[in-house]
Amino acid sequence: AQSVTQPDIHITVSEGASLELRCNYSYGATPYLFWYVQSPGQGLQLLLKYFSGDTLVQGIKGFEAEFKRSQSSFNLRKPSVHWSDAAEYFCAVGANGNQFYFGTGTSLTVIP
Amino acid sequence: KAGVTQTPRYLIKTRGQQVTLSCSPISGHRSVSWYQQTPGQGLQFLFEYFSETQRNKGNFPGRFSGRQFSNSRSEMNVSTLELGDSALYLCASSLTSRETDTQYFGPGTRLTVL
Repeated sequence: AQSVTQPDIHITVSEGASLELRCNYSYGATPYLFWYVQSPGQGLQLLLKYFSGDTLVQGIKGFEAEFKRSQSSFNLRKPSVHWSDAAEYFCAVGANGNQFYFGTGTSLTVIP
Repeated sequence: KAGVTQTPRYLIKTRGQQVTLSCSPISGHRSVSWYQQTPGQGLQFLFEYFSETQRNKGNFPGRFSGRQFSNSRSEMNVSTLELGDSALYLCASSLTSRETDTQYFGPGTRLTVL
């Protein structure tokens, strides 16, 4: 069965520090992987996606993610976090058409 | 291009009532998916409509239903509301129904059941 695990419920980082959010997936076929961000009171905004090819994917707002098939992971990274990055981050795997399976999310707090 | 719009943004209902939520996809998009977001269960897939046909359905009771119109606008209906139905309901649209299509999410409808 398809599933996504985000082990970190909450992460706090200082502004300017690097960031890595973890995501592990379980899916039998080739995974289509996504990272979304949700600010309070808002819908989800796509940060980046991976379908095939280069395993390092660049996204918006300076984010990148690396697909590692051997580890079933798709971790999100940013070299220098800004205060405006504080939000909820969701990893998702696409399956059966548009049926996305989401992780439970990681809440990011940025300390000035 | 206008994004996904959802109406209303907020709703308060009482147990036993029914509610209808509306979603207008991005122009040209033919697929609309619905998700329920709660603090305890996270984001859960409700159903997807493509060209007025339900393609997929998540694990929700029959009280949750939906439809899609010829202009791709979609509605979801919840009958006999329960307290546990309180949630943020998100709709997402995409061009087609392929896994590789990017889904664009609306701001959601916040439903509170009293």
